[in-house]
Amino acid sequence: DADVTQTPRNRITKTGKRIMLECSQTKGHDRMYWYRQDPGLGLRLIYYSFDVKDINKGEISDGYSVSRQAQAKFSLSLESAIPNQTALYFCATGRGSGRDEQFFGPGTRLTVL
Amino acid sequence: KQEVTQIPAALSVPEGENLVLNCSFTDSAIYNLQWFRQDPGKGLTSLLLIQSSQREQTSGRLNASLDKSSGRSTLYIAASQPGDSATYLCAVLNTGGFKTIFGAGTRLFVKA
Repeated sequence: DADVTQTPRNRITKTGKRIMLECSQTKGHDRMYWYRQDPGLGLRLIYYSFDVKDINKGEISDGYSVSRQAQAKFSLSLESAIPNQTALYFCATGRGSGRDEQFFGPGTRLTVL
Repeated sequence: KQEVTQIPAALSVPEGENLVLNCSFTDSAIYNLQWFRQDPGKGLTSLLLIQSSQREQTSGRLNASLDKSSGRSTLYIAASQPGDSATYLCAVLNTGGFKTIFGAGTRLFVKA
């Protein structure tokens, strides 16, 4: 089984709809991250959480919100989706000490029409 | 503000060739640098992580170096194979704020 899972893997929605992307991990890591990837722009950090009670904004948090329901679960919400939020979204985890290597989920491809 | 640049953006080589991918960053105050591989439509797979105190890391045919003072890292791939075809991303973790900044990637194609 994958260590970091994301649901759904693909989603097509309409402008103005509320969307939630979910991430679960079995790695036991404290740190979790949400990134979006756009062609030619690399990955950009949306939000990150160092533990259940710690939520921080990344580079591009406007239009997004997150919830850290448990150590293993971190969800990303788009309250009112817009077309320029069409992108590939990745969740990642990190141990938070020592090497602090990040491990990524398979991604969610979101299309907003 | 940290900026990460990867050159070239795309590279095509014949099978068996040794190659070097480049990554540069503007702020040397980093905690570590990580190289990833991404296959089309897939997630990122961690290849190598170099701590700021280290100069290089090796894994199989891959060798990554880090020169923090000049803001550069290289990923060396020996004896390239068609299965190495993918996009390679480098990412730096800043010491201030612990935010990871990614480069846009180098798209590698190894021809059989």
